[in-house]
Amino acid sequence: AQKVTQAQTEISVVEKEDVTLDCVYETRDTTYYLFWYKQPPSGELVFLIRRNSFDEQNEISGRYSWNFQKSTSSFNFTITASQVVDSAVYFCALSEALGFTGGGNKLTFGTGTQLKVEL
Amino acid sequence: GAGVSQSPSNKVTEKGKDVELRCDPISGHTALYWYRQRLGQGLEFLIYFQGNSAPDKSGLPSDRFSAERTGESVSTLTIQRTQQEDSAVYLCASSLEVFEETQYFGPGTRLLVL
Repeated sequence: AQKVTQAQTEISVVEKEDVTLDCVYETRDTTYYLFWYKQPPSGELVFLIRRNSFDEQNEISGRYSWNFQKSTSSFNFTITASQVVDSAVYFCALSEALGFTGGGNKLTFGTGTQLKVEL
Repeated sequence: GAGVSQSPSNKVTEKGKDVELRCDPISGHTALYWYRQRLGQGLEFLIYFQGNSAPDKSGLPSDRFSAERTGESVSTLTIQRTQQEDSAVYLCASSLEVFEETQYFGPGTRLLVL
């Protein structure tokens, strides 16, 4: 069975600090996708990034960067120069193909990391 | 364009009553998913639709839960004889059909069973 572990339940930082959110996953699939979602206090899940299992290149998008390491089954997320607006719960998720047609996929989520950025 | 919408945004009901939760996916998205999020926890997969068919119902917690989708569009999640443990946020997501497509989530329905 697939599993996603986010060991950090809550992280508090001061604005402008860098912060890394850890994600470790387990799967027997050779083809899979990893995701990060942000859930602000409003509750709606906001898609941040998707990576496939064949692409281990790190990715940077503004203040966000992601480090995918297949050897350690990790997909960590770093926010550089954090801001108060970054305060949210961040979820890491792993996709599992459903059915035989290849249509659709089921996301297995970690329990989330609550990030609090204070002034 | 418009995102995934869900209604109602909040629902308070008494134990034993039936509730219906609605999801309108992004136009053109053929796959639709339902998840449940209990307080302080991650999301738990319930069911998904490919078109109007639900090939995998294994995530539904009990036979009190059912879902349907019509016109490859709107979906309804029904919980019969609600119990207090059904209290949670129910999230709907949609995606294009292929395996690797990203799921886009709605704002959720917060259900409280008294």
